[in-house]
Amino acid sequence: GESVGLHLPTLSVQEGDNSIINCAYSNSASDYFIWYKQESGKGPQFIIDIRSNMDKRQGQRVTVLLNKTVKHLSLQIAATQPGDSAVYFCAENPPSGSARQLTFGSGTQLTVLP
Amino acid sequence: EPEVTQTPSHQVTQMGQEVILRCVPISNHLYFYWYRQILGQKVEFLVSFYNNEISEKSEIFDDQFSVERPDGSNFTLKIRSTKLEDSAMYFCASRTSTVGTGELFFGEGSRLTVL
Repeated sequence: GESVGLHLPTLSVQEGDNSIINCAYSNSASDYFIWYKQESGKGPQFIIDIRSNMDKRQGQRVTVLLNKTVKHLSLQIAATQPGDSAVYFCAENPPSGSARQLTFGSGTQLTVLP
Repeated sequence: EPEVTQTPSHQVTQMGQEVILRCVPISNHLYFYWYRQILGQKVEFLVSFYNNEISEKSEIFDDQFSVERPDGSNFTLKIRSTKLEDSAMYFCASRTSTVGTGELFFGEGSRLTVL
């Protein structure tokens, strides 16, 4: 079936280094993708989104790259800080359905080392 | 900044009991959702709600579940007879529109523990 999944369940990076979190999706019809950050005991928090007609989108310290050829999404975090430690989920918004609910991937735990 | 609020933050209940989880979506939002997250797992879609009726529901959302918008602000999820496997974090979310794209805003969640 269609799914959104992540390549790695955990990622540890040194403070100040760049982080790259990857995501594979299988629904080629999905037209909108979002990265969410979830801190322990909290709800998912929007980070950045990208539409399928784009390859790259930049935010503050974050960049999302979309490769539709291989159905791959990545989140790059520049100069990773301790506050970036969290679980990161990619989510896709399939075009079918009236309410366009999100389908979440499994999540990657990012740990920032001092 | 407007936010989605949920109550209670944590509820402990006995198996077989009814539970109602409450949510106040962001005031100008039109689409409402419930998601759940079993500990250590991904966030799973339960149900979406628009114009006072269910738009879509997942296979998880069986006859034991129901949603309601009893007034202009609250959006509730009821579990009629809780099971052990209903133990999870339940997240309410809302968005303004499904036209094009639109950020889904999540609440902080209600943790349900079924004993």
